[in-house]
Amino acid sequence: EPEVTQTPSHQVTQMGQEVILRCVPISNHLYFYWYRQILGQKVEFLVSFYNNEISEKSEIFDDQFSVERPDGSNFTLKIRSTKLEDSAMYFCASSGRTGYGYTFGSGTRLTVV
Amino acid sequence: GIQVEQSPPDLILQEGANSTLRCNFSDSVNNLQWFHQNPWGQLINLFYIPSGTKQNGRLSATTVATERYSLLYISSSQTTDSGVYFCAVYSSNTGKLIFGQGTTLQVKP
Repeated sequence: EPEVTQTPSHQVTQMGQEVILRCVPISNHLYFYWYRQILGQKVEFLVSFYNNEISEKSEIFDDQFSVERPDGSNFTLKIRSTKLEDSAMYFCASSGRTGYGYTFGSGTRLTVV
Repeated sequence: GIQVEQSPPDLILQEGANSTLRCNFSDSVNNLQWFHQNPWGQLINLFYIPSGTKQNGRLSATTVATERYSLLYISSSQTTDSGVYFCAVYSSNTGKLIFGQGTTLQVKP
C-alpha cells in the first residue's frame, strides 16, 4: 500500500533555530497537508497545499512557518525560529483529491529545548 | 466552524470485549475518516466512510450523515487495539479535515 514518508522521525532543536521537516507524499496525489499534535491533545490543521500554492492555512500557521514543494516529490515544512511551544508531533498527509481519503505519514516528533 | 465531538473520552476494556465509539459532528460533511493512533504516535487510517457501513475484520463503522454521527465498532478487542481513536471530518465549506478530541482505549489482558 502506498505510504507517506516523513523524515526525520525525531528532531531536537535549540530555541530560535530553524528546522525543516520533510515529507514524500504518495506519488499520484495532488493535495498536501501539514498537521500538528501537541502531546496529549487533538490533531490540528496547519496548512493545505495544491498546485504549488497554499490553499488554506490556520491561525497557527503564522509568518514563522512556510511550506515548499521544491522538486516535485518532496514537501517540506520550515519553522524559521523555533519556540518552546512548537514542540509537537508534526504530520504530513496527502490526498488524491480535496477532502478525499487522506493518508498520513508516521510523523516527526519535534522537541524544542 | 464544524464541531466534532467524540465519546467516551476514555474506555477501558478486558480483552475479548466489544465496544462502540461515537463521533458527532455539527454540520453536513463530505468526508469522514476514522484513525487509530498507536502507542508510537502513528495515525493509521481505519475507514473512509462519509455514509453507510463498512467492515474490516473485527472493526466496522457506520455513518448516518443525515443525523450527523458515526459509530466505530470494535469486536473481540485485543491488547493491540489500545491507543487513541480519532474521528475526522471534511467539509467543502471549511476546506480542511477537522479532528475530534479522540477516544483513548485501553484493552487489558
